[in-house]
Amino acid sequence: DIQMTQSPSFLSASVGDRVTMTCRASQSINNYLNWYQHKPGKAPKLLIYAASSLQSGVPSRFSGGGSGTDFTLTISSLQPEDFATYYCQQSYSTLVTFGGGTKVEIK
Amino acid sequence: EVQLVESGGGLVQPGGSLRLSCAASGFTFRSYMMNWVRQAPGGGLEWVSYISSSPSTIYYADSVKGRFTISRDDAKNSLYLQMNSLRAEDTAVYYCARARAGITRDFDYWGQGTLVTVSS
Repeated sequence: DIQMTQSPSFLSASVGDRVTMTCRASQSINNYLNWYQHKPGKAPKLLIYAASSLQSGVPSRFSGGGSGTDFTLTISSLQPEDFATYYCQQSYSTLVTFGGGTKVEIK
Repeated sequence: EVQLVESGGGLVQPGGSLRLSCAASGFTFRSYMMNWVRQAPGGGLEWVSYISSSPSTIYYADSVKGRFTISRDDAKNSLYLQMNSLRAEDTAVYYCARARAGITRDFDYWGQGTLVTVSS
């Protein structure tokens, strides 16, 4: 199975901050990398697919980058509704796998 | 509007069985690949199983292979997960998720989840 490693596990930031989190795959996955936002008690929400494509309806402050094994998710100006846990997911393999998550908390 | 609504969760003893359902609406269900994903208490997201549109191709995570069975009824716009030989570590919120048509296979719509608790 392809292992996905996210860092950091926790990120403390303030409203208006620019934040970046990373996701590393154990082997090349080309650009088959997706990002999700998850809030407690809610359905996970797709933010970015194919590494850098913004899902319809997602604010443009979210952006994704990278290819191969190393990927990033950036929030250009953190908003109060952005405090959540973010997961990367590889869909290169038939057995998809998620990273362990990055929890974004209020400083 | 696309909607996915899970049901069937509850409290079950170790070794027991449970069948989860996911009712889909707002899209042509038979044309889409579907998945089950779970989140254990305090844990992250874990993909559980996948079923393609008919004729069906099916995959399972190693952690549930041989114990869980995914199926679909396109006439009823429904996805199912039959869970047998349940263990304490299967305790989780179970989500059904639609995979986007095409090669990216990202999960573009998710349900709200149903809680399964395995405990004596």
